[in-house]
Amino acid sequence: DGGITQSPKYLFRKEGQNVTLSCEQNLNHDAMYWYRQDPGQGLRLIYYSQIVNDFQKGDIAEGYSVSREKKESFPLTVTSAQKNPTAFYLCASNVGGIAKNIQYFGAGTRLSVL
Amino acid sequence: GIQVEQSPPDLILQEGANSTLRCNFSDSVNNLQWFHQNPWGQLINLFYIPSGTKQNGRLSATTVATERYSLLYISSSQTTDSGVYFCAVPAGTYKYIFGTGTRLKVLA
Repeated sequence: DGGITQSPKYLFRKEGQNVTLSCEQNLNHDAMYWYRQDPGQGLRLIYYSQIVNDFQKGDIAEGYSVSREKKESFPLTVTSAQKNPTAFYLCASNVGGIAKNIQYFGAGTRLSVL
Repeated sequence: GIQVEQSPPDLILQEGANSTLRCNFSDSVNNLQWFHQNPWGQLINLFYIPSGTKQNGRLSATTVATERYSLLYISSSQTTDSGVYFCAVPAGTYKYIFGTGTRLKVLA
């Protein structure tokens, strides 16, 4: 089945540690996104990528980094510079420009700090 | 930038009741989506509805783009409808802005 796979479902980070969240899609979508959701809040955009080898900062990019070496994959690294990383992270994708395209989401990764 | 507001923020219903959720946006848009986030966090697209009315089973949505609002109707609610409902609109070519959501709880 086509879809977006995020792993792991749960992740724990020690202080000073970098951790990487995986996002893989087999929908042949060009655009991919990372969102952060805090408890009881809406979604905030961290990074997005329109095509391979290109990505743009969203509204809350500080303390995060991404890469887009393959169309199918858009991993997110939460660096030690992100002082409050505990949140629910959602990966999404759509065909291309969002003007007329539906956005699809993965099941999310819950990140906690030890 | 464009602002998106949803109301009510919280809603509690008895099973079988009907409800209307509202999404207001501050600027003209050419796309609007409604999502349901289940208790496990999964976001499911319900409707892609830039204008007009669409129906899918017990759910329907109407967007009046000229008046900058969209409504999501849930009829004969079931406990499985519980969760958070978000609307989202484009902000530029590649970004979505999400509303703060309506948290729905349906009681058996």
